[in-house]
Amino acid sequence: AQRVTQPEKLLSVFKGAPVELKCNYSYSGSPELFWYVQYSRQRLQLLLRHISRESIKGFTADLNKGETSFHLKKPFAQEEDSAMYYCALSGPAGNKLTFGGGTRVLVKP
Amino acid sequence: NAGVMQNPRHLVRRRGQEARLRCSPMKGHSHVYWYRQLPEEGLKFMVYLQKENIIDESGMPKERFSAEFPKEGPSILRIQQVVRGDSAAYFCASSPRPSSYEQYFGPGTRLTVT
Repeated sequence: AQRVTQPEKLLSVFKGAPVELKCNYSYSGSPELFWYVQYSRQRLQLLLRHISRESIKGFTADLNKGETSFHLKKPFAQEEDSAMYYCALSGPAGNKLTFGGGTRVLVKP
Repeated sequence: NAGVMQNPRHLVRRRGQEARLRCSPMKGHSHVYWYRQLPEEGLKFMVYLQKENIIDESGMPKERFSAEFPKEGPSILRIQQVVRGDSAAYFCASSPRPSSYEQYFGPGTRLTVT
């Protein structure tokens, strides 16, 4: 069975500090991994996916197959990064997403 | 493009009543996905539909829940004889093709069962 675990429900950091959101997964095969973000009063939206290997809004995430992790990082957090972040995976069929429980990030001034 | 629309945004039902949740996909999208988010949990996949077809309903509870996506009109998630445990946020997503990364989410419908 596929599962995504986000161990931290809340991360509180000061502006300018680094932030790292942990995500671990279990999947027998080669999953595709994503990070979604939901800002206050907005819809859930895709932040980045591991295949594209790009940096969005200063965030990066590296897929570590050995540790089955896909942690999200940003070296200098900004107040506008305050949001709910969800890690998700999909299998080869690519249709349904399995989400983690989410991590709320609060960036303090 | 208005994006994925869901209505109602909030729905209150008494135990035993029926709940109908509607999802209008983005223009040009023929694939719809429903997810449920229970309090303090992540989103959980329920069902994946194409026009007039249910493709994957592996996440749907076996009883009381049904979904459709007719040729014309929105996709409907129907919950019969609601119970308190059905209280949750229900999200719909649409995509132009079968794809996990191209799913665009609606604002959700928050169902409260009293």
